[in-house]
Amino acid sequence: DIVMTQTPLSLPVTPGEPASISCRSSQSLLDNDNKKTYLDWFLQKPGQSPQLLIYTLSNRASGVPDRFSGSGSGTDFTLKISRVEAEDVGVYYCMQRMAFPWTFGQGTKLEIK
Amino acid sequence: QVQLQQWGTGLLKPSETLSLTCGLYGGSFSDHYWSWIRQAPGKGLEWIGEINHSGRTNYNPSLDGRVTMFVDTSKNEFSLKVRSVTAADTAVYYCANSYMDTWGQGMLVAVSS
Repeated sequence: DIVMTQTPLSLPVTPGEPASISCRSSQSLLDNDNKKTYLDWFLQKPGQSPQLLIYTLSNRASGVPDRFSGSGSGTDFTLKISRVEAEDVGVYYCMQRMAFPWTFGQGTKLEIK
Repeated sequence: QVQLQQWGTGLLKPSETLSLTCGLYGGSFSDHYWSWIRQAPGKGLEWIGEINHSGRTNYNPSLDGRVTMFVDTSKNEFSLKVRSVTAADTAVYYCANSYMDTWGQGMLVAVSS
């Protein structure tokens, strides 16, 4: 299985400040045939189902604010929030869809200072 | 608006069979694969497997072959069965499309003697 490792596991952030979460995979998530990188990001707000933020590395899902962005390549990826808002609290997960079984990172809990 | 709604048995005894169903409302069943994901209390997300409208499946080997998924295209529903459950199968179970941009509300399944 592809192992997904996120850092940090806890992220206290002041509103209005930027935030960054890293995700590393044990194998490359780049499909050399179609040049797509199968790395997604999710946010699970307290008491809710996860919601898709970013798909295939850097594409924002419908309705996701443009303060969220995804980047990276190969095995190293980053989710950035340009200016954190109170509604961004929750647990962020990366997930790979390069090879079965799909696997998730451990989660990064973002909290407001 | 596309919605997924889940139902099933919420309390099981060890060795029984977990059974959940997810209904699709407002979308086309044949457009996607359909996934099940679970989250043990206080833990991260685990992908269980997926099925498409013709019944083709991909399962996570971590469940030791105890998983079966079904589709009923006439009702726009798909189902999950997990045999021989133990306390380790206690979790919130989610259904989602395989782009994971649409999720069910989640259902807690508890296994206890």
